[in-house]
Amino acid sequence: EDQVTQSPEALRLQEGESSSLNCSYTVSGLRGLFWYRQDPGKGPEFLFTLYSAGEEKEKERLKATLTKKESFLHITAPKPEDSATYLCAVQLTGGGADGLTFGKGTHLIIQP
Amino acid sequence: SAVISQKPSRDICQRGTSLTIQCQVDSQVTMMFWYRQQPGQSLTLIATANQGSEATYESGFVIDKFPISRPNLTFSTLTVSNMSPEDSSIYLCSVEEGFGTGELFFGEGSRLTVL
Repeated sequence: EDQVTQSPEALRLQEGESSSLNCSYTVSGLRGLFWYRQDPGKGPEFLFTLYSAGEEKEKERLKATLTKKESFLHITAPKPEDSATYLCAVQLTGGGADGLTFGKGTHLIIQP
Repeated sequence: SAVISQKPSRDICQRGTSLTIQCQVDSQVTMMFWYRQQPGQSLTLIATANQGSEATYESGFVIDKFPISRPNLTFSTLTVSNMSPEDSSIYLCSVEEGFGTGELFFGEGSRLTVL
């Protein structure tokens, strides 16, 4: 069975304290891995797509990396406005947008 | 990027009633997706709505419980029928940025509480 597991469930950091969020997956064939950010009371917002092991994407203080079994979302020197829930999703080979499997997310809190 | 509007943003409903959620997109799209987000759970796809054809439902979701309309390329509705407290959830409408990309744009969601 295809599975996506995110850890930790919640993470509290001080402003400026760098860390990483993990997304591990067990799928029959990976077409793409996606990271989304979700603010309270809002829908998820697309951040990155990663397609192959070794690929990296960056956006401001965020960098996403991918291996054959997991992805990391590194956050460098975070600010309070980076507080959100970060969701990971995988798309299977041959699958479309209706084939995304989401993890439960990591709730990130950045304290000033 | 598409702009998606959902109504209502939140509602409190009585057990046994039905509620229809509306989703309006500012551009024409082939497929629209309806998701459910229960507390502490992952986003789960309910169904895919294509204009001019019946919606395609995922395992565990049925048309009698979640009827969907797709009258044109910019609008869709999801009805949650005969609600029970277990239907309390956030319901999200989404569209894809480019066919097959997997990059989704979401509405802000409709938070339903069933008493």
